[in-house]
Amino acid sequence: RKEVEQDPGPFNVPEGATVAFNCTYSNSASQSFFWYRQDCRKEPKLLMSVYSSGNEDGRFTAQLNRASQYISLLIRDSKLSDSATYLCVVNSNRDDKIIFGKGTRLHILP
Amino acid sequence: SAVISQKPSRDICQRGTSLTIQCQVDSQVTMMFWYRQQPGQSLTLIATANQGSEATYESGFVIDKFPISRPNLTFSTLTVSNMSPEDSSIYLCSVEDTRGNYEQYFGPGTRLTVT
Repeated sequence: RKEVEQDPGPFNVPEGATVAFNCTYSNSASQSFFWYRQDCRKEPKLLMSVYSSGNEDGRFTAQLNRASQYISLLIRDSKLSDSATYLCVVNSNRDDKIIFGKGTRLHILP
Repeated sequence: SAVISQKPSRDICQRGTSLTIQCQVDSQVTMMFWYRQQPGQSLTLIATANQGSEATYESGFVIDKFPISRPNLTFSTLTVSNMSPEDSSIYLCSVEDTRGNYEQYFGPGTRLTVT
């Protein structure tokens, strides 16, 4: 099992819709989780951290499910500007490194 | 968050040559990281660069191929040596948030094409 797995997509979603995607991780001892956003030909940028109690920032909600070892990202009222690749990132406590998933591509359609 | 710049932003190089990429941060940071992102792939950590010590390389990456310098707390360089077309990639430097919460901030990247 890969350390961090994501559905590569693409998710093609009409503007205004709600979209959610998950990311699974293999190391049950992982403690830190993040979602990054990467626009085409740009560097990744931190979108939000994922806390045990969940995290909400405007239209974005991130959840952690330790029992099933996945994190999720929910985007409500999607905008055209939300089109990007969303990278799931997990801290590997084994060697104190962070591991990037391959990303989920999201296309918001007008 | 830190502001990070990289030079060059892109380059086209011939096989067998070397390219040095510079990374400058607007604040002092303990740990700097160098990543590679090949087309359609996610980020792969090349090495961690700490000031005052040798860089720590990940499996599959060696110092002879990717020598790194870290002369102070705001600057680092990565050299891609004896390049081949397989080295064509985006190279990114990043720094960790000073709060030690594993949040990382990235430079804009260097897009390298080897012909």
